[in-house]
Amino acid sequence: DAKTTQPTSMDCAEGRAANLPCNHSTISGNEYVYWYRQIHSQGPQYIIHGLKNNETNEMASLIITEDRKSSTLILPHATLRDTAVYYCIVRVPSGAGSYQLTFGKGTKLSVIP
Amino acid sequence: NAGVMQNPRHLVRRRGQEARLRCSPMKGHSHVYWYRQLPEEGLKFMVYLQKENIIDESGMPKERFSAEFPKEGPSILRIQQVVRGDSAAYFCASSLREGVTDTQYFGPGTRLTVL
Repeated sequence: DAKTTQPTSMDCAEGRAANLPCNHSTISGNEYVYWYRQIHSQGPQYIIHGLKNNETNEMASLIITEDRKSSTLILPHATLRDTAVYYCIVRVPSGAGSYQLTFGKGTKLSVIP
Repeated sequence: NAGVMQNPRHLVRRRGQEARLRCSPMKGHSHVYWYRQLPEEGLKFMVYLQKENIIDESGMPKERFSAEFPKEGPSILRIQQVVRGDSAAYFCASSLREGVTDTQYFGPGTRLTVL
């Protein structure tokens, strides 16, 4: 199973871009990188996912390095409501038909006014 | 399009009682996943169900815990004879179809407190 490594915490000034890194050096060729966030004690919120190409949606951009060993989630203009724990997850198939998400400790992003 | 719904949002039980947690997936979703989050910890996978079938229960404790997803109605996570260590947030997620690119969408969770 591919493991991910994220910084424990990060600060970002309101209005600036937040760049959250993730290392997944043992990722295999068919595994996708997913990002979720959890605001306070709410349910995790899906943000974005990708395989090897960069991806962008209304929430964020995902940059995956060419060797796929690391990626960066970019929130282009962070607001106070983006303060949350951000989880980088590599999708791990486990047994026939099962695709559980394995959550690590994530990165606690604090957006500062 | 309503999201994943869970009820109750908060549940208080005394030791030895039963807890029943309900999850209604997003419209059109037939795959349900349950996760548990202990205080100050990350989410841990418990079980994956499709309609009337348990597909993967590798994360479920061997005793007292059971899950079902009947043909009609919500998915139920049942905890018998609760103990204080069962106090946690229980999250349900649903997805449209299985596959490595399939996205799971989470509900708001049920916070179980065992007195």
